[in-house]
Amino acid sequence: DQQVKQNSPSLSVQEGRISILNCDYTNSMFDYFLWYKKYPAEGPTFLISISSIKDKNEDGRFTVFLNKSAKHLSLHIVPSQPGDSAVYFCAALLMNRDDKIIFGKGTRLHILP
Amino acid sequence: EADIYQTPRYLVIGTGKKITLECSQTMGHDKMYWYQQDPGMELHLIHYSYGVNSTEKGDLSSESTVSRIRTEHFPLTLESARPSHTSQYLCASSDGRGRPYNSPLHFGNGTRLTVT
Repeated sequence: DQQVKQNSPSLSVQEGRISILNCDYTNSMFDYFLWYKKYPAEGPTFLISISSIKDKNEDGRFTVFLNKSAKHLSLHIVPSQPGDSAVYFCAALLMNRDDKIIFGKGTRLHILP
Repeated sequence: EADIYQTPRYLVIGTGKKITLECSQTMGHDKMYWYQQDPGMELHLIHYSYGVNSTEKGDLSSESTVSRIRTEHFPLTLESARPSHTSQYLCASSDGRGRPYNSPLHFGNGTRLTVT
């Protein structure tokens, strides 16, 4: 039973345009949401996070939007660059004794020249 | 820059062999984790540790075991490898003083295990 869902396995975007990666979740008790980026043959790296009490967090070219009523979040990358080609994992955190992070399946982003 | 190392990067081994996947970090992080990931699938937490002599099983049932005798070292062992253990294994650590949203997981580059 997936608690964090990334329904698009892959996405292709022209360089310079906006990339929008989507994520849905089922547990309304999640406290934080995180995005990780993964290049082939490397481990994931942390990108950006957002608290469940916020609706937007921005860091340079990366912005995450949270819609709690829809249980949906999205990562916007503007402008998209060739180095953004990677797999992006959406993750959710329930803050309790264990602070475990639950990951989605990932979306592979291809930035086209 | 995170310094967390996993060896070997790739391992092909026959059924029934005992294997140990190594993970070391030089950041002095208290929390360490093992995740298992199949292509196109989620990362599943299989073991975690919040400090020396502390180990817990994760959400995904695993036949592997772990130990945490030193802060920097968190090896994962499979006593008898089977083809169903074929997967990528990712080790991660985080600063135990913070919470995961501001003290995010730092991952190693993973070990891709194939059991024939």
